[in-house]
Amino acid sequence: EAQVTQNPRYLITVTGKKLTVTCSQNMNHEYMSWYRQDPGLGLRQIYYSMNVEVTDKGDVPEGYKVSRKEKRNFPLILESPSPNQTSLYFCASSFKDRFYGYTFGSGTRLTVV
Amino acid sequence: AQKVTQAQTEISVVEKEDVTLDCVYETRDTTYYLFWYKQPPSGELVFLIRRNSFDEQNEISGRYSWNFQKSTSSFNFTITASQVVDSAVYFCALDSGTYKYIFGTGTRLKVLA
Repeated sequence: EAQVTQNPRYLITVTGKKLTVTCSQNMNHEYMSWYRQDPGLGLRQIYYSMNVEVTDKGDVPEGYKVSRKEKRNFPLILESPSPNQTSLYFCASSFKDRFYGYTFGSGTRLTVV
Repeated sequence: AQKVTQAQTEISVVEKEDVTLDCVYETRDTTYYLFWYKQPPSGELVFLIRRNSFDEQNEISGRYSWNFQKSTSSFNFTITASQVVDSAVYFCALDSGTYKYIFGTGTRLKVLA
């Protein structure tokens, strides 16, 4: 089944403790992206990647890191999480031309206390 | 700058009523793509439709229809004879080919039985 797999689905962590949210897709998509969803703000792009080893900042990159060492994987790293990073996170992927729109992962609900 | 505005935060309708969700966008690019996504209460994000800037034909898919007007920079979404299962948050998105993909803040639709 074609899908984007995010893990974990739920995570509660403490301020400052490094964490990684994994994202993997099995559709051979070139383009991958991370979003955070907050009430009243919609989805805001954190980082995106056009292909292996090519990444760029979205609109809200502060406090996040990404890497794209393999085409299928695009992990999101929070080196020192803070409470304002409590949010619902989505990973998405698509072909380079984005003709069929994004395929989204199921989301990761992160709480930083 | 690119921007997507969904001015309707929440809409409530009674089942079988028609409802239109508004989307207004801003971009300086001449080539761009517009999308609608649905987020039902279960939380996943589902791609509904894509339109490119050169194709102003309206589209109908079952009870769903989309009206794209470049003159007013709008890409509105109409649900005819709404059903309870249409209750969801609907997002409009703009992709102008710069690889940044901007979402609106979403419209929550509640369809009451």
